[in-house]
Amino acid sequence: DAGITQSPRYKITETGRQVTLMCHQTWSHSYMFWYRQDLGHGLRLIYYSAAADITDKGEVPDGYVVSRSKTENFPLTLESATRSQTSVYFCASSADGMNYEQYFGPGTRLTVT
Amino acid sequence: KQEVTQIPAALSVPEGENLVLNCSFTDSAIYNLQWFRQDPGKGLTSLLLIQSSQREQTSGRLNASLDKSSGRSTLYIAASQPGDSATYLCAVLMDSSYKLIFGSGTRLLVRP
Repeated sequence: DAGITQSPRYKITETGRQVTLMCHQTWSHSYMFWYRQDLGHGLRLIYYSAAADITDKGEVPDGYVVSRSKTENFPLTLESATRSQTSVYFCASSADGMNYEQYFGPGTRLTVT
Repeated sequence: KQEVTQIPAALSVPEGENLVLNCSFTDSAIYNLQWFRQDPGKGLTSLLLIQSSQREQTSGRLNASLDKSSGRSTLYIAASQPGDSATYLCAVLMDSSYKLIFGSGTRLLVRP
């Protein structure tokens, strides 16, 4: 029973590089979310997806791209990483968008140098 | 714009105490409210979910209440233990939105 997993757990990359963070859930939840957590800003929604091939922007989407070709996977891509994208990234999933808890993965700590 | 505030930012109590964590929100048009705990370097663990039509939810030693009209929720922890030490976050889900809006958390230390 893996639940929701993220990879890698830690990543160091250079400014300008493309990097993809992976998220996988085993519950067949319809909804998946990407958040970033920063000191002084708390947790903020980047993107979410209501189903395969359906995605929408959250509060801070600039500089990020998402896709969802399969229900269980929701990768987050930083097309050209910037230092301001240094953060801890959390993926979450929910059976539906409104009535059930969101369950969070363990997080990916990304450092952009 | 919805704002979620948690007071106090940090709390230190001796083991065995009953304690209350507070969460307030500025816009009462919420769909539900969720309490999480986060251990250092870890993800968030869902504790309780209260729908807007509910007044409280209980799970073991935890009891969460919701007063939607006054924009407040409390998380009551009975007989606190050192293992309860963590950061506790509340988050609200707005009507017609899938976006959770988080408070900044209360960092709890339960001393043996």
